[in-house]
Amino acid sequence: GAVVSQHPSWVICKSGTSVKIECRSLDFQATTMFWYRQFPKQSLMLMATSNEGSKATYEQGVEKDKFLINHASLTLSTLTVTSAHPEDSSFYICSARRQATDTQYFGPGTRLTVL
Amino acid sequence: SQQGEEDPQALSIQEGENATMNCSYKTSINNLQWYRQNSGRGLVHLILIRSNEREKHSGRLRVTLDTSKKSSSLLITASRAADTASYFCATDSTSGGSYIPTFGRGTSLIVHP
Repeated sequence: GAVVSQHPSWVICKSGTSVKIECRSLDFQATTMFWYRQFPKQSLMLMATSNEGSKATYEQGVEKDKFLINHASLTLSTLTVTSAHPEDSSFYICSARRQATDTQYFGPGTRLTVL
Repeated sequence: SQQGEEDPQALSIQEGENATMNCSYKTSINNLQWYRQNSGRGLVHLILIRSNEREKHSGRLRVTLDTSKKSSSLLITASRAADTASYFCATDSTSGGSYIPTFGRGTSLIVHP
């Protein structure tokens, strides 16, 4: 089956620092990757759609300068939370859409805690 | 805004019983997918049903889709304690030529051994 990995699994950082989260499709190519955040006991909220080789499309209310997305290759997208604050603490999940299919494959998530 | 809305929000049953979760959505879709999520983990894809399909089975899972009512149901038969998780429906609609996946709030299922 298709595997998507995320790194790191969890990270604790100080307020004001930047954190980079990687999302990789390990055994397939993904022209499109999605980034979600999820608060405890809440649903997944789509933050942005990342297309390989082009700028990400951000959902309304998501600050593009705060959440930098880079989709450098068909197997890697990164999300950088810049100048993180405690309110950015959340569970960040990426997904990759396999080329020529409708199915999204999700990464295991990254738990970010900003102190 | 969220597209899919699952109900119930939470469901508690005994092992061996069936669990039914419903999902309603608002706009036209290409397909609808069900996922499960164990606490603090990523999502696992369960089943995809296309807009021209009415029912689909996978093991103990049965999914129905009624596009006239814009609703879907997920039935888990002969539930097990290991089925305890949150279940989400996600609709896939097209906007500007791109697929936009949107998740509902999820149903939290607890299966007591």
